Amino acid sequence: AQSVAQPEDQVNVAEGNPLTVKCTYSVSGNPYLFWYVQYPNRGLQFLLKYITGDNLVKGSYGFEAEFNKSQTSFHLKKPSALVSDSALYFCAVRDASGGSYIPTFGRGTSLIVHP
Amino acid sequence: DTAVSQTPKYLVTQMGNDKSIKCEQNLGHDTMYWYKQDSKKFLKIMFSYNNKELIINETVPNRFSPKSPDKAHLNLHINSLELGDSAVYFCASSSGVSEAFFGQGTRLTVV
Repeated sequence: AQSVAQPEDQVNVAEGNPLTVKCTYSVSGNPYLFWYVQYPNRGLQFLLKYITGDNLVKGSYGFEAEFNKSQTSFHLKKPSALVSDSALYFCAVRDASGGSYIPTFGRGTSLIVHP
Repeated sequence: DTAVSQTPKYLVTQMGNDKSIKCEQNLGHDTMYWYKQDSKKFLKIMFSYNNKELIINETVPNRFSPKSPDKAHLNLHINSLELGDSAVYFCASSSGVSEAFFGQGTRLTVV
């Protein structure tokens, strides 16, 4: 079985400060990892993914994430937060090793960036 | 050009009615999904279909059924609607190692 944990329901950060949204995962084999963002009354938008290769992945809107196999983590980061980054963020995992191809999502983390 | 489109965007209906939500993707993907997002924003997989097999989440009531007339469409039928079915339903598609592409969601309100 595969699972994702997002330990924080909400993250608060001041505009201009760095932000981190945490994600840990569990899969039987190797993971495919994804981050999505959801703005109010909208669908999920893809931010970035880790499939293989470089552990540091860069994505849309200045976001990046680092795959850490030993800690089974894939934290989302941004060096300088914007008020417009305020949204709901979801981490997702798929098993790359022949298990379920269905993405499993975390419970979401609400990011609030204060002016 | 919308990649994954769902209709309707809003659906208000009475308990006991039967309703359908349509989903179409123009990405050429071979896998489509339905997710339910509850009031706490938790995303739960309901069905996935990749033109070879249908995988059903066993916790989904059998009042819900997917129908796929072709590879680009995966519609969701719901019979005998209940108050607890009120939620936002998202259609998505993917292929290979690609990320999932989501529709804009259908907000279902059962009164």
